[in-house]
Amino acid sequence: QKEVEQDPGPLSVPEGAIVSLNCTYSNSAFQYFMWYRQYSRKGPELLMYTYSSGNKEDGRFTAQVDKSSKYISLFIRDSQPSDSATYLCASFFFSGGYNKLIFGAGTRLAVHP
Amino acid sequence: DSGVTQTPKHLITATGQRVTLRCSPRSGDLSVYWYQQSLDQGLQFLIQYYNGEERAKGNILERFSAQQFPDLHSELNLSSLELGDSALYFCASSPEGLAGNTIYFGEGSWLTVV
Repeated sequence: QKEVEQDPGPLSVPEGAIVSLNCTYSNSAFQYFMWYRQYSRKGPELLMYTYSSGNKEDGRFTAQVDKSSKYISLFIRDSQPSDSATYLCASFFFSGGYNKLIFGAGTRLAVHP
Repeated sequence: DSGVTQTPKHLITATGQRVTLRCSPRSGDLSVYWYQQSLDQGLQFLIQYYNGEERAKGNILERFSAQQFPDLHSELNLSSLELGDSALYFCASSPEGLAGNTIYFGEGSWLTVV
């Protein structure tokens, strides 16, 4: 079983739609949860970062973590064609100098006008 | 620009050969991470170094090795290359490797093995 599972999609939505991207993780030791966006095989860029269960909002983006069910979500409101990219969830923990950052497979999103 | 520099950007080599990928982390960052991304695959963690010492090892093949030098740049060595090693190799860096929100990725090195 992969430590972080993510549906690779692809996901195609019309402009203005609400997008829901989801991941699950298996390792209870994970402390931090991130969403990265990757355009055209460029380097991933950090989009959202959360530490605890709950919601975190940044503009049109909302990251949600439910540690009890080990579920991570990213919601994109009023999606735009420029949001078309691959979205990678990631889970991270740090303990005694040992780090572990594990990515999901990435979900390819296409927002069409 | 993330501040993480990777060279070369593209590399084509034959099976059985050996290549070295280089990474310069962001100024002041002590941790360097290497990831492999194959076609339609997610980012696979290979190895992490912190201030010159290996800190964590992922799914790195025995044919692959890495090191971090005193000036904090890092090299990933890939030997006895196989067609399946063709991938995008990313380097990332962070100040102390403590929090995921401070990890920044380079633009990657495209490796094609023919």
